[in-house]
Amino acid sequence: QKEVEQNSGPLSVPEGAIASLNCTYSDRGSQSFFWYRQYSGKSPELIMFIYSNGDKEDGRFTAQLNKASQYVSLLIRDSQPSDSATYLCAVNPDTSNTGKLIFGQGTTLQVKP
Amino acid sequence: DAGVTQSPTHLIKTRGQQVTLRCSPKSGHDTVSWYQQALGQGPQFIFQYYEEEERQRGNFPDRFSGHQFPNYSSELNVNALLLGDSALYLCASSVRGQGIQPQHFGDGTRLSIL
Repeated sequence: QKEVEQNSGPLSVPEGAIASLNCTYSDRGSQSFFWYRQYSGKSPELIMFIYSNGDKEDGRFTAQLNKASQYVSLLIRDSQPSDSATYLCAVNPDTSNTGKLIFGQGTTLQVKP
Repeated sequence: DAGVTQSPTHLIKTRGQQVTLRCSPKSGHDTVSWYQQALGQGPQFIFQYYEEEERQRGNFPDRFSGHQFPNYSSELNVNALLLGDSALYLCASSVRGQGIQPQHFGDGTRLSIL
């Protein structure tokens, strides 16, 4: 079983719709969770992070965490063509907050005009 | 405010050669982590340096080694290159401290092994 799992997609949504990206993780002791966006040929760019159960909102982005279900998601409201990218879920399994990140393989999002 | 910088951007080597990749962390950051990203995959953790010491290591052979300098910059060395080492090598920096300290990535070095 992979430590962090994401559906590779592609996930295709029309412009203006809500895109929902999902991630599950295997280490129940994981402390913090990150979403990165990666455009083709570029490096990952941090979108947001979450460490408490519930929702965290930042502009059009909402991260949701459910530690009991070992599930984290990212919602993108009012999706734009510029949101088309690969979204990487990353988990820090350690109590040290600057420890290694374990990444999923990423979900490719396509936002169609 | 300069972000994480990596050099070179691209590199072509042949099997058996050795390579050194370089990274300067974001201003104010003291911790450097290195990742390998194969095409179509998520980044894989190689190791992390703090206070000039390797603090954590992923599942990579001893051919992969590193160093951190007093100014917090870092090098990744790979010996006896294999075709499978072809990948994007990413450096990420962060601050070791209280609370969540997210890692910020440089643009990466794309290494091709012929």
